Amino acid sequence: GESVGLHLPTLSVQEGDNSIINCAYSNSASDYFIWYKQESGKGPQFIIDIRSNMDKRQGQRVTVLLNKTVKHLSLQIAATQPGDSAVYFCAENLNGQNFVFGPGTRLSVLP
Amino acid sequence: DAGVIQSPRHEVTEMGQEVTLRCKPISGHNSLFWYRQTMMRGLELLIYFNNNVPIDDSGMPEDRFSAKMPNASFSTLKIQPSEPRDSAVYFCASSFSETQYFGPGTRLLVL
Repeated sequence: GESVGLHLPTLSVQEGDNSIINCAYSNSASDYFIWYKQESGKGPQFIIDIRSNMDKRQGQRVTVLLNKTVKHLSLQIAATQPGDSAVYFCAENLNGQNFVFGPGTRLSVLP
Repeated sequence: DAGVIQSPRHEVTEMGQEVTLRCKPISGHNSLFWYRQTMMRGLELLIYFNNNVPIDDSGMPEDRFSAKMPNASFSTLKIQPSEPRDSAVYFCASSFSETQYFGPGTRLLVL
């Protein structure tokens, strides 16, 4: 879900389980999307991207799903590891280089 | 590749003082972005340059903020005079195509 103010939505998963992080984007005309991972004290790091002419894209241990009908994006992480603990942001782009970032979701991996 | 370089990494200053943040983009990248991140507002785009030219500065909060890119390898974000509400982490990012690569950020605290 969305967060307002000080509290990010948090997802807690057991190490080894799969994680699904969701994002609702705002502009139905957005044509390019990126998932970023931000670890504490660091800048956002590119994970995976997808264009609007696709509905699924896979990377190493990560899969992004795009549902344009409901303006929804998800990031699936397989076999979640402690190093996956971070804040994850989706970002949408409309015909240019100006990205709009979502509020982020904190992923906490439990031992 | 050293990635995007930002300096200083931390800055503590008093209200009313001038603050200058610096960024060296990844060599060969032609676009540069300045973002501000706070708990309340998340990640916000302040301004971005393409080929050293400011393209969109609609995110710059007010006239106290200014940004320059005198050449392809250097940019500054200046706040004068600084105010406590400017306290945030400021990120610089650069790109060649659509994917943006972020620096480690400058954590600014204005007392």
